[in-house]
Amino acid sequence: DADVTQTPRNRITKTGKRIMLECSQTKGHDRMYWYRQDPGLGLQLIYYSFDVKDINKGEISDGYSVSRQAQAKFSLSLESAIPNQTALYFCATSGKGYTEQFFGPGTRLTVL
Amino acid sequence: GQQVMQIPQYQHVQEGEDFTTYCNSSTTLSNIQWYKQRPGGHPVFLIQLVKSGEVKKQKRLTFQFGEAKKNSSLHITATQTTDVGTYFCAGSGGAQKLVFGQGTRLTINP
Repeated sequence: DADVTQTPRNRITKTGKRIMLECSQTKGHDRMYWYRQDPGLGLQLIYYSFDVKDINKGEISDGYSVSRQAQAKFSLSLESAIPNQTALYFCATSGKGYTEQFFGPGTRLTVL
Repeated sequence: GQQVMQIPQYQHVQEGEDFTTYCNSSTTLSNIQWYKQRPGGHPVFLIQLVKSGEVKKQKRLTFQFGEAKKNSSLHITATQTTDVGTYFCAGSGGAQKLVFGQGTRLTINP
């Protein structure tokens, strides 16, 4: 089984809808991240969490919120989706310190 | 805030040719990481560089970290079709979170 899983893998929704993307990990890591990937823009950090009680905004947090339900679960919500939030979303985890990040398979979100 | 610029954005080579991508940070980095993303896949960690002037090799891949810890490069010798993908550098400053470059997409003509 994959160490970092994301659900759903693909989602099409309409403008104004609320949507939640979920991430689970079995690596036992404390740190979890949500990134957005747009063509030509690389990976932009939306939110990150260094432990269950810690939530931090990243570079592009406007329009998004997160919840760290447990060490293993980190969800991303779009309260009112808009078309320019159409993108590929990745969840990642890492251990403490300056360590490598392990990415989930991604969720492709389309907002019509 | 911290910015990481990566060039070129795209590179097309003939199989067997060499390939280099460059990464520059607006601030001094604590470390730099490199990731590879295959088409349709997710980023996968390749390597981390920590020391000023560090050079690391993985088979045909050579990674360098600049003396000032503000720039880095990835060089692939004699590319193969399996090298196709997008290569990202990601720098970390004091906040222990990564800032990714825009990536270099490598395509190869067999």
